[in-house]
Amino acid sequence: GAVVSQHPSWVICKSGTSVKIECRSLDFQATTMFWYRQFPKQSLMLMATSNEGSKATYEQGVEKDKFLINHASLTLSTLTVTSAHPEDSSFYICSVTHRSTLFEYFGPGTRLTVT
Amino acid sequence: ILNVEQSPQSLHVQEGDSTNFTCSFPSSNFYALHWYRWETAKSPEALFVMTLNGDEKKKGRISATLNTKEGYSYLYIKGSQPEDSATYLCAATGNQFYFGTGTSLTVIP
Repeated sequence: GAVVSQHPSWVICKSGTSVKIECRSLDFQATTMFWYRQFPKQSLMLMATSNEGSKATYEQGVEKDKFLINHASLTLSTLTVTSAHPEDSSFYICSVTHRSTLFEYFGPGTRLTVT
Repeated sequence: ILNVEQSPQSLHVQEGDSTNFTCSFPSSNFYALHWYRWETAKSPEALFVMTLNGDEKKKGRISATLNTKEGYSYLYIKGSQPEDSATYLCAATGNQFYFGTGTSLTVIP
């Protein structure tokens, strides 16, 4: 069964609105979750590392005020795209690393379309 | 929902050996198969995207094949080098990306 879930799986929103995406680790507690985005025909791009109980670590070029990450519990991290614009339309994927096996489990992704 | 499985989960080979691993996926509702090379603390690097049955792709010493009818793809590495050590991740896309858990390759000098 699924190890990581994401909600919603797809969302369409109007420019200027904010969208929250949830990532849940279903099978184990995760102190660290990762958020990626993928543009068409490109690699996954790491956006930020979400750390439970502390501030997220953002990759260079990713606006922390635009992509708000909250990792309030060991099984849930949220990514909020604030004041979304059409260029934010993308595929957002979270992943969770299993502490023992170090395998990366990816969520099914959320397709965001900003009109 | 696409269940994507990769095997083996991990692999250790000697430098110079050739190796291969498998990605299997349901053949229905299939659109494309992606292979990524992923080093720790880096974003996964896309290696190949294949869509057609019988597709073969090659990049240097790495190549991949696709069989959409039986639902599998092979990734081959010829003459493995220590710098090939990484996790190789496949993903199948239907309406969304469905990733395997990866094959962790360690090439021993």
